[in-house]
Amino acid sequence: GDSVTQMEGPVTLSEEAFLTINCTYTATGYPSLFWYVQYPGEGLQLLLKATKADDKGSNKGFEATYRKETTSFHLEKGSVQVSDSAVYFCALSANQAGTALIFGKGTTLSVSS
Amino acid sequence: DTAVSQTPKYLVTQMGNDKSIKCEQNLGHDTMYWYKQDSKKFLKIMFSYNNKELIINETVPNRFSPKSPDKAHLNLHINSLELGDSAVYFCASSQDSARTQYFGPGTRLTVL
Repeated sequence: GDSVTQMEGPVTLSEEAFLTINCTYTATGYPSLFWYVQYPGEGLQLLLKATKADDKGSNKGFEATYRKETTSFHLEKGSVQVSDSAVYFCALSANQAGTALIFGKGTTLSVSS
Repeated sequence: DTAVSQTPKYLVTQMGNDKSIKCEQNLGHDTMYWYKQDSKKFLKIMFSYNNKELIINETVPNRFSPKSPDKAHLNLHINSLELGDSAVYFCASSQDSARTQYFGPGTRLTVL
C-alpha cells in the first residue's frame, strides 16, 4: 500500500541555520504531496502542497519540490527561526478526491536562539 | 472565522464511560474525516464521510461510531472507553474536487 517515510527527529538547529527534512513516498499513480505543521498544543496546519511532478510548493520561506524520479518531497528552509519549532508531517493523498491522507511519522524541529 | 471547529478541546473521563466529540466545518466541503494521533504523534485515518455517506471505515473497534447529521457536521461517539483510547482526535474536511484537507484544532481525550 501507499506509504510515507520521513527522517527521524528530533532535529535541533540554531537560528538562521539551513533546514532540510527528508521525505520519500511509495504510491501508485500520481499522488498529491503535502507538508503539514503542528505547533505545540495546536492542530495541524497546511504548510505547502504540490499536486504533480516538478511542482514546487512554497509558504513562509519553506519550499518542497515534487520529485517523481526519486519519489521525494523534501522540505527546506534557508534560515530557520525560533518560531519554526514544531512537528512537521509529510503526507500524501492518492488519486481520488476524498481519500485519506497517509502521513509520515513526523519530525520534531527545535530551533534555539 | 473558524473553518473547522471541534468540541470539546479537552475531555477527561473514566474507563467505561461513553463520550462524544463534535466537529463542524463552515467551508462548504463535501467530505469530512476523523483521524487519531497517538502518543508518538502518529496520525491515522479512522473514518470519512462524503455528503453524509460513510466512505472510509478503517479497522477501528466498533465502540467508535461516527455520525453525520448533515454535510457540515461529523460527530464521533465512543462507547465503553478504554485506557488505549487516550489520544488526540482530529477532524478534517476537504472539497470533493480537491485533495487538500483542513484540520480542526483537535480534541485531547484522556481516559483514566
